[in-house]
Amino acid sequence: GAGVSQTPSNKVTEKGKYVELRCDPISGHTALYWYRQSLGQGPEFLIYFQGTGAADDSGLPNDRFFAVRPEGSVSTLKIQRTERGDSAVYLCASSLFRRGSGANVLTFGAGSRLTVL
Amino acid sequence: QQQVKQSPQSLIVQKGGISIINCAYENTAFDYFPWYQQFPGKGPALLIAIRPDVSEKKEGRFTISFNKSAKQFSLHIMDSQPGDSATYFCAARPPGGSQGNLIFGKGTKLSVKP
Repeated sequence: GAGVSQTPSNKVTEKGKYVELRCDPISGHTALYWYRQSLGQGPEFLIYFQGTGAADDSGLPNDRFFAVRPEGSVSTLKIQRTERGDSAVYLCASSLFRRGSGANVLTFGAGSRLTVL
Repeated sequence: QQQVKQSPQSLIVQKGGISIINCAYENTAFDYFPWYQQFPGKGPALLIAIRPDVSEKKEGRFTISFNKSAKQFSLHIMDSQPGDSATYFCAARPPGGSQGNLIFGKGTKLSVKP
C-alpha cells in the first residue's frame, strides 16, 4: 500500500483480556518497528524486525508483550493479560533496510489507540 | 544517560516568526539525531536529521543546529506558518542500537498564530 496501515485504529478492552494489533508495512520495506506512545510522551521503542526475525526486542516491557512477523510483511503485536498501564497509542513503522547507510528513514502509521478499562 | 531532554513543552509563535526547539542528551556515543513532526491523529513523520560530525543542516525553512561539545541540538523553523502547528519530537539513536531503536524526547507542541 501507499503507507503503513494499522488496525484497529481504536481498541477498548477490559483489564486482563488479550489484544492483537496489526501492522501492514509499506510494500517492499524489509524493516518493521513497533513503538508505544503514551499521552504527552514521545514514542518509546518496543521491537524491531528485519525480515521475519526480531533483530532487537530490547524495548518490550515484559513477557506479556510479544510480536510476530511470520512472512516478513504483516506484523502482529500481542498483549496478554492487559493492564490499565498498557493504555497508549501503539505505532508501527517500516523502512527499507540499507546496510551501511547509517540511518534508515522510518515511515510511521497512524497508530492503534488501546484503552484498557 | 539514555535520555533526550526536550524543551519547551509548548511554544506559541506568530506567523512569520522563528520557532526554536531545543534538545539535550548525555550519551556522547549517540550517532544520529532526527526531528519528527506529528499532527493530531497521525504518526510522526521525519522532518530533518543530522549526524554528529556536522554542525548545521538546512532543508528549506527547517534548520538543525548541532553543538557536540554542549551535547545539544536544536530545530529552527524560519518564517513559521499556521500549517507548521504540530508536535515536534527530537530523537537520538543510542550506540549499538538497531536501525530503528530511537530514543525520543517528550515533544514540543507548536502553535503558530495567524
